[in-house]
Parts: sequence; structure tokens; C-alpha cells
Amino acid sequence: AQSVSQHNHHVILSEAASLELGCNYSYGGTVNLFWYVQYPGQHLQLLLKYFSGDPLVKGIKGFEAEFIKSKFSFNLRKPSVQWSDTAEYFCAVNRGSGTYKYIFGTGTRLKVLA
Amino acid sequence: GAVVSQHPSRVICKSGTSVKIECRSLDFQATTMFWYRQFPKQSLMLMATSNEGSKATYEQGVEKDKFLINHASLTLSTLTVTSAHPEDSSFYICSAALGTTDTQYFGPGTRLTVL
Repeated sequence: AQSVSQHNHHVILSEAASLELGCNYSYGGTVNLFWYVQYPGQHLQLLLKYFSGDPLVKGIKGFEAEFIKSKFSFNLRKPSVQWSDTAEYFCAVNRGSGTYKYIFGTGTRLKVLA
Repeated sequence: GAVVSQHPSRVICKSGTSVKIECRSLDFQATTMFWYRQFPKQSLMLMATSNEGSKATYEQGVEKDKFLINHASLTLSTLTVTSAHPEDSSFYICSAALGTTDTQYFGPGTRLTVL
């Protein structure tokens, strides 16, 4: 069965530290990849997505992610985190065009210390 | 753009009653809407996929007679939890797919508590 793994369940960083959250998927065909963020008490918001083209994708709020097909990975990065980045981050994968169904990772809770 | 709303945001009901949750795409027509359930400190679990004018497709293990989904228009889908029991207490989230771009936009969720 297809799955999405997020290895870090809880991450604690100080402000200005660099962030990298891992995401690996098991499906071998064409995939679309997404990162969502859920701030405390709020709904999921799209951070960035990859469908095709440049494997380095830039999203909102200074986040970026790199698709490495050979490693089935789509890791999220931010060079310098802020206290306001405290949230839960979800990686999601769907199986290419026309198939909207997402498989979500288990999520990573990020806490940024001021 | 791409705003999805849910109503109500919170609902408390007695065991045995039915609860309806609405999901609306406010500024776009959603080809497909999805219903998820999120348990505390866990990820989102897809319950069903709903296409306008057709029957919902339920995920394995989800009781279609308990979780009734109606997708009457391109901007509205409803989830009815029938004869709710305490184990149905959860956070229910809907999302809507924007045309053919395969991106889902999420509603704020509904916290259901069954007493």
C-alpha cells in the first residue's frame, strides 16, 4: 500500500535556526507532492506544491522543498525559522493528474522558541 | 481565493442523534470535495470522496450508512453523522479540489462531541 512517511514527529528549534523536515513516499508512479501547514486553531493551508518541472519549489513564507525522485523524497526547508512558524506540517501525495485523493503523512509538530 | 468554509465549527449532541456538517467552496466551483477525520495529534484520515451529482466513494472501513454524504451542487457538500455515538467524537475536515489542478483547499474543520 502507498504510504507517506514523515520521520520527525516533533521538532524544537530556536529562532533563526534552519529547518528541514523529511517526507518520503512509497508510490513509484507519477506523483504530485504537497506541503501543508496547520497553525494552532486554524485550518490547513497550502505551503507549496510540486507537479512537474524544476524540482526545487518555492512556497509562501520563505519555505521551499526539493523533489528528489530517486529518493522518493520531498523535504521541506526554511533557512531561518521564526516563532510564528510554530505549527504542524503535513506532507501529502497524490497519484498524478485526475486523481485527487491525497495520502497524508503523519505530520510534524514544530515548536520555535523565541 | 480558494476559500472553503464549514458550518458549524463546533457541535455537541446527545448519543443517538444525527448531526449535519456543511462544507462550502466560497469563491470557486469544486469538482470534487473530500471529507476527512482527524484524531488528536494524528494525521488526516480520508473518509470519502464526493463528486457533484453522484454517489460518494467511501474509503475502506468507513460506514456509508453512518456517514451520509450529499454533494448537491458544485459549491456545497454535506456530511451527516447518523445516530451519533461517543466514538464518533472527532474533528471533521472537508476539502475541495479546484478544477483540474489537483490541489485541495481545506475548510477550518468541525469539532463534534457526542455525549
